Amino acid sequence: GAVVSQHPSWVICKSGTSVKIECRSLDFQATTMFWYRQFPKQSLMLMATSNEGSKATYEQGVEKDKFLINHASLTLSTLTVTSAHPEDSSFYICSAGESSYQETQYFGPGTRLLVL
Amino acid sequence: QKEVEQDPGPLSVPEGAIVSLNCTYSNSAFQYFMWYRQYSRKGPELLMYTYSSGNKEDGRFTAQVDKSSKYISLFIRDSQPSDSATYLCAMSGDNQGGKLIFGQGTELSVKP
Repeated sequence: GAVVSQHPSWVICKSGTSVKIECRSLDFQATTMFWYRQFPKQSLMLMATSNEGSKATYEQGVEKDKFLINHASLTLSTLTVTSAHPEDSSFYICSAGESSYQETQYFGPGTRLLVL
Repeated sequence: QKEVEQDPGPLSVPEGAIVSLNCTYSNSAFQYFMWYRQYSRKGPELLMYTYSSGNKEDGRFTAQVDKSSKYISLFIRDSQPSDSATYLCAMSGDNQGGKLIFGQGTELSVKP
């Protein structure tokens, strides 16, 4: 099956710093990638839809200036959490769909962020 | 009312039992239905994908979709301790731009 990777798998940072998370589709091209966050024992909350070569579409309530998304190529999207605060600590997961079958999404392993 | 409703459990069954997981939804435009399995601290793994109504079987897993009742199910036969995970239903439609709408997830524990 299709493989999506994320890097780093976990990160600890100080409050006020910025953290970049990478999401890569390893064996297919993805015109669209999605970014989610997940709190313990809760479902995935869609943050934004990342489109290759265009601006990301953010869900209501998600600050676009805080969560910067760049989808520079068909295999790479990045999420940057700017000026991170402890409340941003969460599990961030990306997913990608093959161009012709967007409904079938494959998820990365997730990035656990802890902001001290 | 949420678009997709799923009982969060937890659900505990003995090894070998048949497990039934269900989701209901309200948007009649949904046509694509998926089940994901998520182990603790891992990303979700696609288990089953079904288009429109009908059944689909893959090994010990069977997915059913009843669009008339807006109800989907996942059955796990001969459940194993390794099936212990959270199971998330997800669905989408042609007007969703590829976005998936997830259920809350059901936490399943299979006891040896």
